[in-house]
Amino acid sequence: DTEVTQTPKHLVMGMTNKKSLKCEQHMGHRAMYWYKQKAKKPPELMFVYSYEKLSINESVPSRFSPECPNSSLLNLHLHALQPEDSALYLCASSRLIGETQYFGPGTRLLVL
Amino acid sequence: KQEVTQIPAALSVPEGENLVLNCSFTDSAIYNLQWFRQDPGKGLTSLLLIQSSQREQTSGRLNASLDKSSGRSTLYIAASQPGDSATYLCASPADMRFGAGTRLTVKP
Repeated sequence: DTEVTQTPKHLVMGMTNKKSLKCEQHMGHRAMYWYKQKAKKPPELMFVYSYEKLSINESVPSRFSPECPNSSLLNLHLHALQPEDSALYLCASSRLIGETQYFGPGTRLLVL
Repeated sequence: KQEVTQIPAALSVPEGENLVLNCSFTDSAIYNLQWFRQDPGKGLTSLLLIQSSQREQTSGRLNASLDKSSGRSTLYIAASQPGDSATYLCASPADMRFGAGTRLTVKP
C-alpha cells in the first residue's frame, strides 16, 4: 500500500477563520512533507518532519503551523490566511528524508 | 542549492509517437532523481526513481535515464497514448526541489 490520504479535498475559508488540513500514511514512513503548489507551478517545499520532529521550515509565515502528533499523521493548522495563500496543498511521505516520495491527492484551498 | 529545470514547458505529439522529456540539474552530486506525473488539479503520481548509482530505470513503456556528469535526466515514453496526457515533473527528492514540468498532450 503506497497511499497517502489527505482531508479535506476542498476547503473554502475566510481570512479570519481557523482550519486544519490532515494527512495520513500507514507505510511506516518516518519523513513527511508539506508542499504548496500554485497553478502551473512546481510544488514548493514548506515543512519537513523526520521522526515526528520538525526538520525543515522553509521560512513559511507563522499563519501556517505544522504538527506531527505521531508517525502516521501530519497536520497543517491555518489561521488568518491571505487570498494569495489559495493553492493546492500537497502532503508527501518517504521512508527516510531524501528517498522516494509518495504524494497524497492534495487539498484545494480557497481563501476569500 | 540544487536547481532543476525542464524544457520544453509544453509538448504536443500524435498518438503512437515515441518521445523524450528532458530534465536538467545543477549539482552533479545529486543523490537520486524521481519522475512524477500530475493530472490537472490532482496530486503527484510517482513514475520512476533513479539512484545516483544507477544509469536507468524502466517501468512498462517508460524508461528514465540519469547522467550525472552532464547534469541531465530523460524520460522516454514509447508508443504514446492519449491517456499519457499530463504534466510530467522531475525532482531531486534529497533536495526537495522540482522542475517546473512539461505539459504533454498526446493527440488521437
